[in-house]
Amino acid sequence: QKEVEQDPGPLSVPEGAIVSLNCTYSNSAFQYFMWYRQYSRKGPELLMYTYSSGNKEDGRFTAQVDKSSKYISLFIRDSQPSDSATYLCAMRGNAGNMLTFGGGTRLMVKP
Amino acid sequence: EAQVTQNPRYLITVTGKKLTVTCSQNMNHEYMSWYRQDPGLGLRQIYYSMNVEVTDKGDVPEGYKVSRKEKRNFPLILESPSPNQTSLYFCASSEMRLANNEQFFGPGTRLTVL
Repeated sequence: QKEVEQDPGPLSVPEGAIVSLNCTYSNSAFQYFMWYRQYSRKGPELLMYTYSSGNKEDGRFTAQVDKSSKYISLFIRDSQPSDSATYLCAMRGNAGNMLTFGGGTRLMVKP
Repeated sequence: EAQVTQNPRYLITVTGKKLTVTCSQNMNHEYMSWYRQDPGLGLRQIYYSMNVEVTDKGDVPEGYKVSRKEKRNFPLILESPSPNQTSLYFCASSEMRLANNEQFFGPGTRLTVL
């Protein structure tokens, strides 16, 4: 079993839809949780990060962490075709910089 | 412009022919790392470096070597490439003390080993 599980998709939604992307993990030592966005033929870019449990909002994006369930989510409101990309969750513990990534979910937002 | 550069971007080679993928960053970051990305497996760390002359293995180091002689450069060396090393490779860098751990990724190198 992988340490971080993520549904690979693809997830296809119409423009304007609310998108929910999720990851589950098994390592209770993880404290920092990130979402990276990767456009085709590009490297990943950090989209949002959260420390420990709770919610964080940035524009149309909301990240949620539920450590008791070992479950994190990224919500995208009013999705746009420009949101079409692969979304990777990543996480780490308190020590060091080493990140553990999920496999990525490919999102397609259709106009 | 702050960036991580990798060369080459695309490479097709044959089994056993030594190759080097270069990585350079201009942000004065202490931490650098190499990942490979394979379908369904996400990004897996190959090697990382916390500073000059300090390197350590990641999750999948077999068949790879790295060196960190200068802060800005972190080349990835495949001494004897094999077909199972066909993959998309990313170099990344970050500050050591950045809580949110924002790693800046290069554009990727697509390697095919025949």
